Amino acid sequence: QKEVEQNSGPLSVPEGAIASLNCTYSDRGSQSFFWYRQYSGKSPELIMSIYSNGDKEDGRFTAQLNKASQYVSLLIRDSQPSDSATYLCAESNAGNNRKLIWGLGTSLAVNP
Amino acid sequence: GAGVSQTPSNKVTEKGKYVELRCDPISGHTALYWYRQSLGQGPEFLIYFQGTGAADDSGLPNDRFFAVRPEGSVSTLKIQRTERGDSAVYLCASSLYSGTGELFFGEGSRLTVL
Repeated sequence: QKEVEQNSGPLSVPEGAIASLNCTYSDRGSQSFFWYRQYSGKSPELIMSIYSNGDKEDGRFTAQLNKASQYVSLLIRDSQPSDSATYLCAESNAGNNRKLIWGLGTSLAVNP
Repeated sequence: GAGVSQTPSNKVTEKGKYVELRCDPISGHTALYWYRQSLGQGPEFLIYFQGTGAADDSGLPNDRFFAVRPEGSVSTLKIQRTERGDSAVYLCASSLYSGTGELFFGEGSRLTVL
């Protein structure tokens, strides 16, 4: 069974620090990877997508993908209290981007 | 509309009743998805529409669940003979085209079956 695993946390970091969120996946055929942010009581919101090995940067966010090791990570630089949320990792096979496989999410708390 | 709209935002019903949940996707988005999410879990795929047709309904848990999208825009998720285990947040998402995992979610419909 295809799985996506995340540490449930909570991960607690001080304001201004770098938050590092990690995700591993079991399906070697996975091609597309996504990080969604979900505030408590709200719906998921896409933060980053990454399709190739290496780093992808967008503002304070950097996604890192290593297909050989089957992990994808999200770094948040200069963490702010407003970044406190659950971060969901999702992946899909190239032939089936319709059906994302989701992790359980990592809860992040950024302390002022 | 500006975003994905879902109604009702909250629905409380009794076991055995019939429920309809509605989703109005972002204008111009051809792909529409239904997921459900329980507390502490990631979203669980239910069904995917490309246009009017259900391209993948493999996530529907059983035949009590059915969804339609008759005109390729608004979709309705229908649950018959509701059970307590159906209680969850039902999320609708849309995307500009098929085959992308970059989804835009609505705020969800919280279903509580007593």
